[in-house]
Formats: sequence, structure tokens, C-alpha cells
Amino acid sequence: DARVTQTPRDKVTEMGQEVTMRCQPILGHNTVFWYRQTMMQGLELLAYFRNRAPLDDSGMPKDRFSAEMPDATLATLKIQPSEPRDSAVYFCASGIWVGANTGELFFGEGSRLTVL
Amino acid sequence: QQQVKQSPQSLIVQKGGIPIINCAYENTAFDYFPWYQQFPGKGPALLIAIRPDVSEKKEGRFTISFNKSAKQFSLHIMDSQPGDSATYFCAARSYNQGGKLIFGQGTELSVKP
Repeated sequence: DARVTQTPRDKVTEMGQEVTMRCQPILGHNTVFWYRQTMMQGLELLAYFRNRAPLDDSGMPKDRFSAEMPDATLATLKIQPSEPRDSAVYFCASGIWVGANTGELFFGEGSRLTVL
Repeated sequence: QQQVKQSPQSLIVQKGGIPIINCAYENTAFDYFPWYQQFPGKGPALLIAIRPDVSEKKEGRFTISFNKSAKQFSLHIMDSQPGDSATYFCAARSYNQGGKLIFGQGTELSVKP
């Protein structure tokens, strides 16, 4: 049963600490997205990659957030230093981008981050 | 111009009713309009999607109506059931603009028994 796997599922940390969230996309998917979900803002796109290359990270606060894909099986989202306003659920999603008939996005179950 | 506006924010219907959720967009380059369903503690999952060359698409009890000239689309759930209680998101994507999926704000639907 192919699925997007995210770790950790829950993270509580203190302001100023570094947080790293990890995502294993579905094997064979060449596009990976990071979204942040809050009650106020809904689902915000933070960054996305195609074939491991970053395409757009304009949704990320550049001074503290960074996203990488060290290899095709791992995407990471790092926050350093974390702030209380970063508290949210962070979703990773993957899909196949092949021409105009590109497929659906499959979401992981999310990483719930609480920054105290 | 990248926004997708969704309404209402929340919706309560009785079992068997037909909830309707509406979305509007500005970017005429959008060429793919999916709806995602999210249950508490889970990630969103694709429910149904439409491209702008058709005005309606039906899958089971779920129907998308699409009005290209008005730049609006909506989700109808026929014979709604308590198990349909979830948050629904509309979204839009442009192939020529990198393919990123832009989501509406979400509608929390509650179907009462």
C-alpha cells in the first residue's frame, strides 16, 4: 500500500530550538510539496520540488525555514530557530508530473508541531 | 491572482441533504480543479477533479459543476451521510505555471443523522 510517510507525527519543542521534519514520498513520484495547515491560513504552500530540484519556495520564511531533497526517497523541512507562530500541521505530498495529464497529489498524515 | 476563494466556511446539513460548496478563482491559466476531503488527524485525499473543458463531472454521490466564464466551480454531495462529515478543500493548478496546487480555505461539513 503506497503512501507518503512523515515523521515525526507530533513534535513539541521550545522556542528557539531546531526542528526537522522528514518525508518519504511514494516511490516513483517525482514531485514533492510541503504545505502548512493552520486554522487561520488554511493550507499554505511552502515549497516544492520536481526531480529533487527546488522549483518554488516563495511561501517559506527564508530566514528560518529551509527545505531540501537529499535524495529521491527523502525530503526535509527544517525550522531554525523555531517560534510559537510556527505551530501548525505540516504536510508533505507527492505526485507524478508527466506532461499535461499530471496525476493527483497524495498527502501524508502530517507532522503536528507545537512550539512553546 | 493566485488565490482560490471558498465558501461557506462551515456547513451543517441533515442526512440526505445536498450540501453545496462554492469556489471562485481569478487566474485564467488554471487548468485543473480538484476537490480534496480531509478527516480529523489525516491528510487531505483527492475526492474528484475536473478540467475546464467540461461543465460537470459526477463520481458516485459527488458532482463538480464548473462555470468557466464566471470562473467558479462547486461541489455537490447528493444524499449526504454522516460519514461525509469532513473538511472539504477546493484547489486549482496551472500546468504552465509550475503545477503548484493552490487551495481554498476549506469548508467544515457536518451531516447530522
